[in-house]
Amino acid sequence: NAGVTQTPKFRVLKTGQSMTLLCAQDMNHEYMYWYRQDPGMGLRLIHYSVGEGTTAKGEVPDGYNVSRLKKQNFLLGLESAAPSQTSVYFCASSYPAGLMNNSPLHFGNGTRLTVT
Amino acid sequence: LAKTTQPISMDSYEGQEVNITCSHNNIATNDYITWYQQFPSQGPRFIIQGYKTKVTNEVASLFIPADRKSSTLSLPRVSLSDTAVYYCLVVGSGGSYIPTFGRGTSLIVHP
Repeated sequence: NAGVTQTPKFRVLKTGQSMTLLCAQDMNHEYMYWYRQDPGMGLRLIHYSVGEGTTAKGEVPDGYNVSRLKKQNFLLGLESAAPSQTSVYFCASSYPAGLMNNSPLHFGNGTRLTVT
Repeated sequence: LAKTTQPISMDSYEGQEVNITCSHNNIATNDYITWYQQFPSQGPRFIIQGYKTKVTNEVASLFIPADRKSSTLSLPRVSLSDTAVYYCLVVGSGGSYIPTFGRGTSLIVHP
């Protein structure tokens, strides 16, 4: 049981390049989330999904796109990377809060992205 | 969404008990209080959740007073490996919810 797996673990991009971060979970969770974490800022929600085929904007969605074509996968795309997107990106998944009160988030170990 | 407030940082020594208090004055009736722990270079990890009174597991205890406007995470006899950032979240149990993380409390345990 791998839990939440993020690929790649590290990546360096030049300004203007594009890339996709992949998140995969094997816990049959309905909800999936993408956060970014910058020094001293805590985690900020970028986008989230409450089920296959659905996505929604979080707190800081600009410059990112997401897709949830399969229940187990949640992709985060950067179409034209900017230095301001240098960050550590975390994916998480959970059951819906309405179904199970104890619905903690399960996180991956992050992708460290540097944009030069 | 219920906003939470917790100290930015705390220092302790090995073997001491550490209490981290979180304020959530506008918590709703159906909201739960959830705490996460994050080590450097790792994603946050769920450690405990409660609704009222006291909850205890193998990692920590969570104390919630009757008015539920605050909660206290208690770590008994901390060790160096408890050095981490601790996040307090208020999570709704009905309908959709957006887990919002603040800056958390950076706990440093000294030898």
